[in-house]
Amino acid sequence: DAGITQSPRHKVTETGTPVTLRCHQTENHRYMYWYRQDPGHGLRLIHYSYGVKDTDKGEVSDGYSVSRSKTEDFLLTLESATSSQTSVYFCAISESAGTAFNYGYTFGSGTRLTVV
Amino acid sequence: AQSVTQPDIHITVSEGASLELRCNYSYGATPYLFWYVQSPGQGLQLLLKYFSGDTLVQGIKGFEAEFKRSQSSFNLRKPSVHWSDAAEYFCAVGANAGNNRKLIWGLGTSLAVNP
Repeated sequence: DAGITQSPRHKVTETGTPVTLRCHQTENHRYMYWYRQDPGHGLRLIHYSYGVKDTDKGEVSDGYSVSRSKTEDFLLTLESATSSQTSVYFCAISESAGTAFNYGYTFGSGTRLTVV
Repeated sequence: AQSVTQPDIHITVSEGASLELRCNYSYGATPYLFWYVQSPGQGLQLLLKYFSGDTLVQGIKGFEAEFKRSQSSFNLRKPSVHWSDAAEYFCAVGANAGNNRKLIWGLGTSLAVNP
């Protein structure tokens, strides 16, 4: 989707090194999410953001941190990469409309991360 | 607890045949329901969504889904499958939880299409 881009698309890194993945949106959406996708586990939420500097943990947040200093960028950092963090990482964005959940997510194309 | 179940992990159909992918959910309030499709190596794309009103909703690529409250189901259908429909399909239910507008995901159904 043209409104959301992830970088890099592919990365190979060594165990113990820090890694930062970037999600950039041009839609001015309030909500941003980081997921990882693994066979047999589907999509699992790592962290999400509900505004600039407003973030919270998802179900698999250990070993990950995030930052959102401006609306358009949401960064995911693996503080010390481990082999268990080898995965495909997806960013998603969502708009809000009052208190109703009227919108689904728009996904980026993903980042394939390999930790060796 | 909120959950989404897609009973079929893998389905194979012949091109031109009809398709139905099952989705069952557990959610206390009125659900917001979604179907997404993921082609190999790609991100997820929204096929259709249900919030209220007509329980039969139309989506992109010729797909439709029917919400049945009594069965807690939101099954995806297509009358005639094309080879390009081979992909992974995910059902999700939307939930408001504090600051989060989150989607609860099924584990997906992989669709293969025989020529």
